[in-house]
Amino acid sequence: AQSVTQLGSHVSVSEGALVLLRCNYSSSVPPYLFWYVQYPNQGLQLLLKYTSAATLVKGINGFEAEFKKSETSFHLTKPSAHMSDAAEYFCAVTTGANSKLTFGKGITLSVRP
Amino acid sequence: EAGVAQSPRYKIIEKRQSVAFWCNPISGHATLYWYQQILGQGPKLLIQFQNNGVVDDSQLPKDRFSAERLKGVDSTLKIQPAKLEDSAVYLCASSLDLWTSLVLGLNEQFFGPGTRLTVL
Repeated sequence: AQSVTQLGSHVSVSEGALVLLRCNYSSSVPPYLFWYVQYPNQGLQLLLKYTSAATLVKGINGFEAEFKKSETSFHLTKPSAHMSDAAEYFCAVTTGANSKLTFGKGITLSVRP
Repeated sequence: EAGVAQSPRYKIIEKRQSVAFWCNPISGHATLYWYQQILGQGPKLLIQFQNNGVVDDSQLPKDRFSAERLKGVDSTLKIQPAKLEDSAVYLCASSLDLWTSLVLGLNEQFFGPGTRLTVL
């Protein structure tokens, strides 16, 4: 079985500040991990993914995430927040066997001027 | 490249009524997924198709939900009869066939804009 934990439901940062969104996973086999972003009234858009290559993954819009097996974590970061980053962010895991994605409950990111 | 298309975008119905959602995946994508996203939660997989066959429907409430993908392209998700707790966004996603995804490490699913269902 696989699962994802995203602690907290809301993160607020100032424009230009560091963004850190936490994700911990549970999987009995090596996982594939994803971060998706969802803007209001839109579908999910892939930010980045980890597929067992480099542990530091760079995505779109300046986001990156680091896979840490010892901590079972895949936290999402961005050095400097922009107003346009305000959205809901979902971490997801799959073992790849059937591509079934299991999502966390999501974190809403607010960016203050 | 055209993305995943869904219709309608919004639907309001009374409880016990029926409703159907339509999805057209990205051309060439053999795998199609339907997710239910309740407000404040992450998407939950309802059903997964590989071409026109069902791969996983373990979380589909089969007493009221049904889905089909007769020609291996478009798909329809139906709810009959609807309950208040079915109010949610229904997301359709598609990806390459499972074997290609696994071999190439391309486990990316592409999502449509969703259908927001309100049951009154």
